[in-house]
Amino acid sequence: ETGVTQSPTHLIKTRGQQVTLRCSSQSGHNTVSWYQQALGQGPQFIFQYYREEENGRGNFPPRFSGLQFPNYSSELNVNALELDDSALYLCASSVREFTYNEQFFGPGTRLTVL
Amino acid sequence: AQRVTQPEKLLSVFKGAPVELKCNYSYSGSPELFWYVQYSRQRLQLLLRHISRESIKGFTADLNKGETSFHLKKPFAQEEDSAMYYCALFTNAGGTSYGKLTFGQGTILTVHP
Repeated sequence: ETGVTQSPTHLIKTRGQQVTLRCSSQSGHNTVSWYQQALGQGPQFIFQYYREEENGRGNFPPRFSGLQFPNYSSELNVNALELDDSALYLCASSVREFTYNEQFFGPGTRLTVL
Repeated sequence: AQRVTQPEKLLSVFKGAPVELKCNYSYSGSPELFWYVQYSRQRLQLLLRHISRESIKGFTADLNKGETSFHLKKPFAQEEDSAMYYCALFTNAGGTSYGKLTFGQGTILTVHP
């Protein structure tokens, strides 16, 4: 069984640029959630994808967008990067139909915006 | 809106001492709570969930709805317990709608030899 993987590991961008982060869900998992973890804070929910559609969103502006593909992998896109977007971005996969709502996390992508 | 509070950013104990990591939540619905742990250079992983009433690595946590708390306890701390601990509340919009985790800010536990 393969765990959740994310790429790239680290990324440095400048303000105003656009970035795409990638996530491969754990084998058999059909739901992907994205979280932003600023330094010294707990992860914050960005949005969730299920059946290739956004299925819930946290308090993040529209310049944060995503995709889910038929193989359940997912992308997080951030446009017009701001300095405050610097954070660790976590992807978590789960199975919607399971009773236990456990989410399995990837190692994260560290984004630095200069 | 839901909220999770972990009042201690840092907690330091000696090996063999009892440890309690505090977690309080605010949620109008029926809570589903988890403790996640992140060891040095590892990913965030589930430690335990209240619904299972399990003990993992000697840790237990009891949901107290009256006090809206879900404190994590271990009677005898070990050096390998040193890690970042997050309390998380799962909320579901119902049916097949999305479910998300709301995390506390985390507590760094250091167990000294």
